[in-house]
Amino acid sequence: QSALTQPASVSGSPGQSITISCTGTSSDIGGYNYVSWYQQHPDKAPKLVIYDVHNRPSGVSNRFSGSKSGNTASLNISGLQAEDEADYYCSSYTSSTALVFGGGTKLTVL
Amino acid sequence: QAQLVQSGAEVRKPGASVKVSCKASGYRFSSYGISWVRQAPGQGPEWMGWISGYNGNTNYAQKFRDRLTMTTEKFSSTAYMELRSLTSDDTAVYYCARGNHGDYVDPWGQGTLVIVSS
Repeated sequence: QSALTQPASVSGSPGQSITISCTGTSSDIGGYNYVSWYQQHPDKAPKLVIYDVHNRPSGVSNRFSGSKSGNTASLNISGLQAEDEADYYCSSYTSSTALVFGGGTKLTVL
Repeated sequence: QAQLVQSGAEVRKPGASVKVSCKASGYRFSSYGISWVRQAPGQGPEWMGWISGYNGNTNYAQKFRDRLTMTTEKFSSTAYMELRSLTSDDTAVYYCARGNHGDYVDPWGQGTLVIVSS
C-alpha cells in the first residue's frame, strides 16, 4: 500500500480542466514543501512535471500547475489535450524514509 | 542536458543477486545524488534508496536495508544498485534518477527490467 493516496482514475474532455489530488500526513506533504508530480506514458520512464509544490521544469507546458493545502497536494491540468493521457504520480519528502510516492492516477482524455 | 543510461534487462533465479548500472552524462556527477526507484507491474513507483554523488553517503529505505547496496564510481560517473536474496516479488522495472536527498528526481534513466523466476 502506497503512503500517499491518489484517486485511481480521472477523466476529462479535450479543452477541459482536471485536478488530481494526493493526500498524505503531517510527516510528509503537510510538513514540507517538497511535493513533486510525474507523468508516465505506457512503457516509458516517469517525467517530472511539477516540483517543490508549484514549480514547473523548463519545457513543461504552463497548462500544468501544482498547489498544496494542509496534508493534500493537487495537480491541475488545464486545456486538456490527447497527449496528456497518462498515469500521474505524486511524491513527497517524508521524515520516515526520505521519499514516498502515491499509487498513481490514470488520466483518460475522452 | 542531463541523461542517465542504465544497463540491460536481467533474469535471475530466486535467491540470486542482481547489479544494475546507471551511467550519468551532461552534468557534474558529484553535484547531485542518485535515487533508485522500482516499479512492479501495474504498481506505483517505490523509492528504494539514495546515494550521494559527492561522497557516497547512502540512505536506504527500511524495507531493503538488509539486502541492498548502492555504490558509485566517480571517475566514470556511474552509479550501481545491487539487490540480494531475490524473490519473485522483486520482479520490477528498476530506475535510477538524479536528485538531492528527499527532493524531486529528474531525469530518470530508461529503466531496467529485472525478472525473478525459477
